[in-house]
Amino acid sequence: DIQMTQSPSSLSASVGDRVTITCQASQDISNYLNWYQQKPGKAPKLLIYDASNLETGVPSRFSGSGSGTDFTFTISSLQPEDIATYYCQQYDNLLPYTFGQGTKLEIK
Amino acid sequence: QVQLVESGGGLVKPGGSLRLSCAASGFTFSDYYMSWIRQAPGKGLEWVSYISSSGSTIYYADSVKGRFTISRDNAKNSLYLQMNSLRAEDTAVYYCAREAGVYSYPDYWGQGTLVTVSS
Repeated sequence: DIQMTQSPSSLSASVGDRVTITCQASQDISNYLNWYQQKPGKAPKLLIYDASNLETGVPSRFSGSGSGTDFTFTISSLQPEDIATYYCQQYDNLLPYTFGQGTKLEIK
Repeated sequence: QVQLVESGGGLVKPGGSLRLSCAASGFTFSDYYMSWIRQAPGKGLEWVSYISSSGSTIYYADSVKGRFTISRDNAKNSLYLQMNSLRAEDTAVYYCAREAGVYSYPDYWGQGTLVTVSS
């Protein structure tokens, strides 16, 4: 199975800050990488698909980049409603698709 | 809008069984592949099982193979997960998810149903 290493595991930032989360795959996954947001007690929500494509209705302050093994997720200006845990997920090699361990984002 | 509503979770003893259901609406259920994904308390996400739109292609995670059975009823817009020989490590919130395409990724998730395996 492809392993996804996400960092940091937790992050504290101020409103308006630029926030960056990274995800590294254990092998080349091209651009088959997605980012999800999960708020406490809620289901995950797809934000970015295929590494850099913004899901419909998702604010433009969210963005993603990367290909191969190294990927980045960015919030350009952190808002209070962005407090959540963020997960990367790969789907390159058929199944199982696998998730990173998550990054818990808090407001400083 | 796409809605996925899970039910059937609860407390069960180790070795017991439980059947989860997922009622789908807001899209043509028979056109989509579906998955079950779980999340143990305070932990990350783990894919469990996957079924094609017709039900003819099915996959399981190694951790549940031989114990869990996924199925669907396209006439009832419903997805199921029969869980047998349950273990403490199966304790989790189980999410039903719609797949964006064939062998792709989940684009919509239900709110989840909690399964607790404990004596």
